[in-house]
Amino acid sequence: RKEVEQDPGPFNVPEGATVAFNCTYSNSASQSFFWYRQDCRKEPKLLMSVYSSGNEDGRFTAQLNRASQYISLLIRDSKLSDSATYLCAMEYGNKLVFGAGTILRVKS
Amino acid sequence: EPEVTQTPSHQVTQMGQEVILRCVPISNHLYFYWYRQILGQKVEFLVSFYNNEISEKSEIFDDQFSVERPDGSNFTLKIRSTKLEDSAMYFCASSWDGYQPQHFGDGTRLSIL
Repeated sequence: RKEVEQDPGPFNVPEGATVAFNCTYSNSASQSFFWYRQDCRKEPKLLMSVYSSGNEDGRFTAQLNRASQYISLLIRDSKLSDSATYLCAMEYGNKLVFGAGTILRVKS
Repeated sequence: EPEVTQTPSHQVTQMGQEVILRCVPISNHLYFYWYRQILGQKVEFLVSFYNNEISEKSEIFDDQFSVERPDGSNFTLKIRSTKLEDSAMYFCASSWDGYQPQHFGDGTRLSIL
């Protein structure tokens, strides 16, 4: 089983839609979880950290489910500028382990 | 907002040549990392560095690779004898501690001919 798995997509959604991504992980020892956004040929940019209690930042909500070993990202009221690849990542030891990313395309 | 900076943005090198990629981490960060991303693939961990020594390295980080923090601000990745398969984007990252989010530089695209 891969350490981190994501649905590659693409998710094609209209502007204003709500879209959700999940990411499953195999290593229960991971302590910290993150969502990054990556635009084509650019660096991963931190979107948000993920906590068991859930956290929200504007239109973005992230959640961690330790029992089922997955994290989720919900984007409300999608904008054209949200089009990107969304990477989940978890800290394991002294490194981040990334998923392969989920492509989101928001269309007008 | 402070950021991680990397130079050069693009490096083209002949196979077998040595290459040095440079990074200036965020100034109060203590942990430093190198990752690479081959085109179309996921971001892969290479090495982490703390307190002037390597704290972890991946299988990719073989004897051809080395890292150094020569002057307290720069953090470099050296590839001694480059291969075609070393062609990738190389990202430097830093964090305040091992559990806090890592912040990435905008990368160096390395092309081996």
